[in-house]
Amino acid sequence: GAGVSQSPSNKVTEKGKDVELRCDPISGHTALYWYRQSLGQGLEFLIYFQGNSAPDKSGLPSDRFSAERTGGSVSTLTIQRTQQEDSAVYLCASSPSMAGEDIQYFGAGTRLSVL
Amino acid sequence: GQNIDQPTEMTATEGAIVQINCTYQTSGFNGLFWYQQHAGEAPTFLSYNVLDGLEEKGRFSSFLSRSKGYSYLLLKELQMKDSASYLCAVLSSASKIIFGSGTRLSIRP
Repeated sequence: GAGVSQSPSNKVTEKGKDVELRCDPISGHTALYWYRQSLGQGLEFLIYFQGNSAPDKSGLPSDRFSAERTGGSVSTLTIQRTQQEDSAVYLCASSPSMAGEDIQYFGAGTRLSVL
Repeated sequence: GQNIDQPTEMTATEGAIVQINCTYQTSGFNGLFWYQQHAGEAPTFLSYNVLDGLEEKGRFSSFLSRSKGYSYLLLKELQMKDSASYLCAVLSSASKIIFGSGTRLSIRP
């Protein structure tokens, strides 16, 4: 696609429910990143993928968070048993390769509200 | 630990120059990014520095001193549309990027 696409753009859920966030990276980009941004804060790194594998999972806040990527393209971030502190904007970015200096192109994000 | 510091808020006047500072202490360093983020929008890339010195790109310039753990973003001829948050981010290892909390810049007429 022309850019990084994330869905849904907004998600309101009840505490304790599971949610799944989707990211469609730019076609051909091998690297994919997930970040979380709380109101007025900077970006918190969650996880990145090189192809379908995630060599660095250290940023995931708890075992309620998991992510996968299939076919080297679409990625899903799943949050189980959501808590109110999970409320944030979840941003996905992709870059052409894993070379760190490659520019990361961001999607518009999914705004998650846990009631 | 990993720490990136930048001022929380700054205000400047249209047409003027503003410098946004960023200091970092990270376990590794492979480069430093600046991103711009308008309210409610995704961050967009501004600059990437890996060597010491000043990189100029139109109205925006970015400076890096690796020995001092210091960078700044210089914005010239400020326009109202430059009102945004500016995020400093360090590439601390192969493909792990740590972001600062951002500097919210307000431009007044």
